[in-house]
Amino acid sequence: ETGVTQTPRHLVMGMTNKKSLKCEQHLGHNAMYWYKQSAKKPLELMFVYSLEERVENNSVPSRFSPECPNSSHLFLHLHTLQPEDSALYLCASSQERRYSYEQYFGPGTRLTVT
Amino acid sequence: GDSVVQTEGQVLPSEGDSLIVNCSYETTQYPSLFWYVQYPGEGPQLHLKAMKANDKGRNKGFEAMYRKETTSFHLEKDSVQESDSAVYFCAPYNAGNMLTFGGGTRLMVKP
Repeated sequence: ETGVTQTPRHLVMGMTNKKSLKCEQHLGHNAMYWYKQSAKKPLELMFVYSLEERVENNSVPSRFSPECPNSSHLFLHLHTLQPEDSALYLCASSQERRYSYEQYFGPGTRLTVT
Repeated sequence: GDSVVQTEGQVLPSEGDSLIVNCSYETTQYPSLFWYVQYPGEGPQLHLKAMKANDKGRNKGFEAMYRKETTSFHLEKDSVQESDSAVYFCAPYNAGNMLTFGGGTRLMVKP
Protein backbone atom coordinates (compact mmCIF):
# COMPACT_ATOMS: atom_id res chain seq x y z
CA GLU A 1 0.00 0.00 0.00
CA THR A 2 1.74 3.14 -1.26
CA GLY A 3 -0.90 5.70 -0.32
CA VAL A 4 -2.02 6.09 -3.94
CA THR A 5 -5.26 4.41 -4.97
CA GLN A 6 -6.70 4.00 -8.45
CA THR A 7 -10.18 3.01 -9.58
CA PRO A 8 -11.30 1.01 -11.37
CA ARG A 9 -8.57 -1.63 -11.39
CA HIS A 10 -9.86 -3.09 -14.66
CA LEU A 11 -11.90 -1.46 -17.43
CA VAL A 12 -13.17 -2.74 -20.74
CA MET A 13 -14.65 -0.17 -23.08
CA GLY A 14 -15.74 0.13 -26.67
CA MET A 15 -14.26 2.69 -29.01
CA THR A 16 -17.32 4.93 -28.79
CA ASN A 17 -17.62 4.92 -24.99
CA LYS A 18 -16.67 7.65 -22.55
CA LYS A 19 -15.13 6.65 -19.25
CA SER A 20 -12.95 8.15 -16.54
CA LEU A 21 -10.07 6.82 -14.47
CA LYS A 22 -9.67 8.09 -10.93
CA CYS A 23 -6.59 8.48 -8.78
CA GLU A 24 -6.39 9.61 -5.15
CA GLN A 25 -3.29 10.16 -3.06
CA HIS A 26 -3.29 10.21 0.74
CA LEU A 27 0.29 11.40 1.17
CA GLY A 28 -0.09 15.17 1.17
CA HIS A 29 1.94 15.46 -2.04
CA ASN A 30 1.97 18.45 -4.38
CA ALA A 31 2.47 16.84 -7.78
CA MET A 32 0.60 14.09 -9.62
CA TYR A 33 1.38 12.18 -12.81
CA TRP A 34 -0.28 9.92 -15.38
CA TYR A 35 1.82 7.24 -17.08
CA LYS A 36 0.96 4.71 -19.75
CA GLN A 37 2.58 1.27 -19.52
CA SER A 38 2.49 -1.06 -22.49
CA ALA A 39 4.67 -3.73 -24.03
CA LYS A 40 5.96 -1.24 -26.65
CA LYS A 41 6.84 1.60 -24.24
CA PRO A 42 7.11 0.33 -20.70
CA LEU A 43 6.77 3.66 -18.83
CA GLU A 44 5.58 6.60 -20.87
CA LEU A 45 4.83 9.89 -19.11
CA MET A 46 1.55 11.45 -20.24
CA PHE A 47 0.73 14.37 -17.94
CA VAL A 48 2.12 16.15 -14.90
CA TYR A 49 0.19 18.39 -12.52
CA SER A 50 1.85 20.56 -9.92
CA LEU A 51 -0.41 22.26 -7.38
CA GLU A 52 -3.38 21.55 -9.70
CA GLU A 53 -1.68 23.25 -12.67
CA ARG A 54 -0.80 21.14 -15.68
CA VAL A 55 2.91 21.53 -16.29
CA GLU A 56 3.53 18.75 -18.79
CA ASN A 57 1.54 17.35 -21.68
CA ASN A 58 3.73 14.87 -23.44
CA SER A 59 2.19 15.01 -26.95
CA VAL A 60 -0.77 12.97 -25.84
CA PRO A 61 -3.78 12.66 -28.21
CA SER A 62 -6.78 14.79 -27.31
CA ARG A 63 -8.92 11.69 -26.72
CA PHE A 64 -7.17 11.63 -23.32
CA SER A 65 -8.22 14.55 -21.13
CA PRO A 66 -6.78 14.98 -17.61
CA GLU A 67 -8.37 16.84 -14.74
CA CYS A 68 -6.91 17.75 -11.36
CA PRO A 69 -9.57 19.39 -9.15
CA ASN A 70 -7.30 19.47 -6.08
CA SER A 71 -3.89 18.21 -5.03
CA SER A 72 -5.28 14.86 -3.83
CA HIS A 73 -7.31 13.85 -6.86
CA LEU A 74 -6.49 13.23 -10.49
CA PHE A 75 -8.75 12.03 -13.28
CA LEU A 76 -8.15 10.82 -16.81
CA HIS A 77 -11.20 11.21 -19.04
CA LEU A 78 -11.30 8.87 -22.01
CA HIS A 79 -13.36 9.15 -25.19
CA THR A 80 -13.30 7.56 -28.64
CA LEU A 81 -10.25 5.49 -27.82
CA GLN A 82 -8.45 3.16 -30.21
CA PRO A 83 -7.45 -0.47 -29.61
CA GLU A 84 -3.80 0.59 -29.38
CA ASP A 85 -4.73 2.59 -26.28
CA SER A 86 -5.15 -0.68 -24.39
CA ALA A 87 -2.55 -0.59 -21.62
CA LEU A 88 -1.96 -0.22 -17.89
CA TYR A 89 -2.50 3.39 -16.79
CA LEU A 90 -0.50 4.35 -13.74
CA CYS A 91 -0.96 7.32 -11.47
CA ALA A 92 1.87 8.64 -9.31
CA SER A 93 2.45 11.47 -6.86
CA SER A 94 5.46 13.21 -5.38
CA GLN A 95 6.30 15.62 -2.61
CA GLU A 96 8.03 18.18 -4.79
CA ARG A 97 6.04 20.74 -6.66
CA ARG A 98 7.40 19.78 -10.04
CA TYR A 99 9.20 16.63 -11.10
CA SER A 100 10.78 14.50 -8.48
CA TYR A 101 12.86 11.35 -8.53
CA GLU A 102 10.82 9.87 -5.68
CA GLN A 103 7.44 9.09 -7.10
CA TYR A 104 4.80 6.94 -5.44
CA PHE A 105 2.75 4.88 -7.85
CA GLY A 106 -0.71 3.43 -7.57
CA PRO A 107 -1.42 -0.14 -8.74
CA GLY A 108 -2.79 1.01 -12.08
CA THR A 109 -5.95 0.58 -14.14
CA ARG A 110 -5.79 -2.16 -16.77
CA LEU A 111 -7.68 -0.74 -19.78
CA THR A 112 -8.86 -2.84 -22.70
CA VAL A 113 -10.39 -1.11 -25.71
CA THR A 114 -12.52 -3.36 -27.90
CA GLY B 1 17.42 14.58 -23.91
CA ASP B 2 18.41 11.90 -21.43
CA SER B 3 18.46 8.25 -22.47
CA VAL B 4 19.05 4.94 -20.75
CA VAL B 5 19.67 1.42 -22.02
CA GLN B 6 19.32 -1.61 -19.80
CA THR B 7 19.39 -5.39 -20.19
CA GLU B 8 16.54 -6.21 -22.51
CA GLY B 9 13.74 -8.69 -22.05
CA GLN B 10 13.82 -11.37 -19.40
CA VAL B 11 16.50 -12.76 -17.12
CA LEU B 12 15.87 -16.30 -15.84
CA PRO B 13 18.28 -17.26 -13.05
CA SER B 14 17.69 -20.06 -10.57
CA GLU B 15 17.33 -19.37 -6.87
CA GLY B 16 20.78 -18.82 -5.37
CA ASP B 17 22.36 -17.63 -8.64
CA SER B 18 24.15 -14.31 -8.86
CA LEU B 19 22.62 -11.51 -10.92
CA ILE B 20 23.76 -8.53 -12.96
CA VAL B 21 21.28 -6.31 -14.80
CA ASN B 22 23.10 -3.78 -16.96
CA CYS B 23 22.21 -0.10 -17.14
CA SER B 24 23.99 2.56 -19.20
CA TYR B 25 22.81 6.15 -19.36
CA GLU B 26 23.41 9.24 -21.43
CA THR B 27 22.59 12.70 -20.11
CA THR B 28 23.75 16.25 -20.73
CA GLN B 29 24.07 16.91 -17.01
CA TYR B 30 25.31 15.14 -13.90
CA PRO B 31 22.37 12.95 -12.87
CA SER B 32 21.32 11.09 -9.81
CA LEU B 33 20.63 7.43 -10.53
CA PHE B 34 17.81 5.16 -9.45
CA TRP B 35 16.45 1.67 -9.79
CA TYR B 36 12.70 1.21 -9.52
CA VAL B 37 11.08 -2.22 -9.05
CA GLN B 38 7.59 -3.31 -10.06
CA TYR B 39 6.20 -6.44 -8.42
CA PRO B 40 3.28 -8.27 -10.05
CA GLY B 41 -0.01 -6.41 -9.66
CA GLU B 42 1.63 -3.28 -8.28
CA GLY B 43 2.97 0.01 -9.54
CA PRO B 44 6.72 0.73 -9.65
CA GLN B 45 8.43 1.72 -6.40
CA LEU B 46 11.81 3.21 -5.65
CA HIS B 47 14.26 0.35 -5.01
CA LEU B 48 17.63 2.02 -4.52
CA LYS B 49 19.46 5.22 -5.33
CA ALA B 50 22.90 6.79 -5.76
CA MET B 51 23.03 10.57 -5.72
CA LYS B 52 26.60 11.16 -6.96
CA ALA B 53 29.58 9.44 -8.53
CA ASN B 54 31.05 6.51 -6.56
CA ASP B 55 27.97 6.23 -4.34
CA LYS B 56 26.62 2.72 -3.91
CA GLY B 57 22.90 2.17 -3.53
CA ARG B 58 21.77 -0.83 -1.46
CA ASN B 59 18.45 -2.46 -0.70
CA LYS B 60 17.30 -6.03 0.12
CA GLY B 61 20.68 -7.48 -0.87
CA PHE B 62 20.83 -5.60 -4.17
CA GLU B 63 23.61 -3.13 -4.91
CA ALA B 64 24.39 -0.67 -7.69
CA MET B 65 27.50 1.49 -8.03
CA TYR B 66 27.37 4.92 -9.69
CA ARG B 67 30.24 4.78 -12.19
CA LYS B 68 30.62 8.17 -13.86
CA GLU B 69 33.60 7.15 -16.01
CA THR B 70 31.61 4.42 -17.73
CA THR B 71 28.17 6.09 -17.34
CA SER B 72 26.80 2.88 -15.85
CA PHE B 73 24.67 1.83 -12.89
CA HIS B 74 24.45 -1.95 -13.03
CA LEU B 75 22.18 -3.76 -10.56
CA GLU B 76 23.80 -6.73 -8.80
CA LYS B 77 22.89 -9.37 -6.26
CA ASP B 78 24.96 -12.29 -5.01
CA SER B 79 22.11 -14.74 -4.48
CA VAL B 80 18.64 -14.12 -5.90
CA GLN B 81 15.44 -15.42 -4.34
CA GLU B 82 12.11 -16.27 -5.90
CA SER B 83 10.60 -13.25 -4.13
CA ASP B 84 12.92 -10.98 -6.17
CA SER B 85 10.92 -11.77 -9.30
CA ALA B 86 9.73 -8.45 -10.69
CA VAL B 87 10.42 -5.89 -13.41
CA TYR B 88 13.36 -3.57 -12.74
CA PHE B 89 13.71 -0.10 -14.27
CA CYS B 90 16.87 1.97 -14.34
CA ALA B 91 16.18 5.72 -14.15
CA PRO B 92 18.59 8.66 -14.32
CA TYR B 93 17.31 11.96 -12.97
CA ASN B 94 18.39 15.57 -13.40
CA ALA B 95 16.87 18.15 -11.07
CA GLY B 96 14.08 20.09 -12.75
CA ASN B 97 13.55 17.44 -15.40
CA MET B 98 11.50 14.29 -15.68
CA LEU B 99 12.62 10.89 -14.54
CA THR B 100 13.80 8.91 -17.59
CA PHE B 101 12.88 5.24 -17.26
CA GLY B 102 14.68 2.48 -19.11
CA GLY B 103 12.77 -0.20 -20.98
CA GLY B 104 12.58 -2.52 -17.97
CA THR B 105 14.12 -5.93 -17.31
CA ARG B 106 11.87 -8.76 -16.19
CA LEU B 107 13.55 -10.95 -13.58
CA MET B 108 11.97 -14.39 -13.18
CA VAL B 109 13.74 -16.50 -10.57
CA LYS B 110 13.23 -20.25 -10.91
CA PRO B 111 12.69 -22.07 -7.60
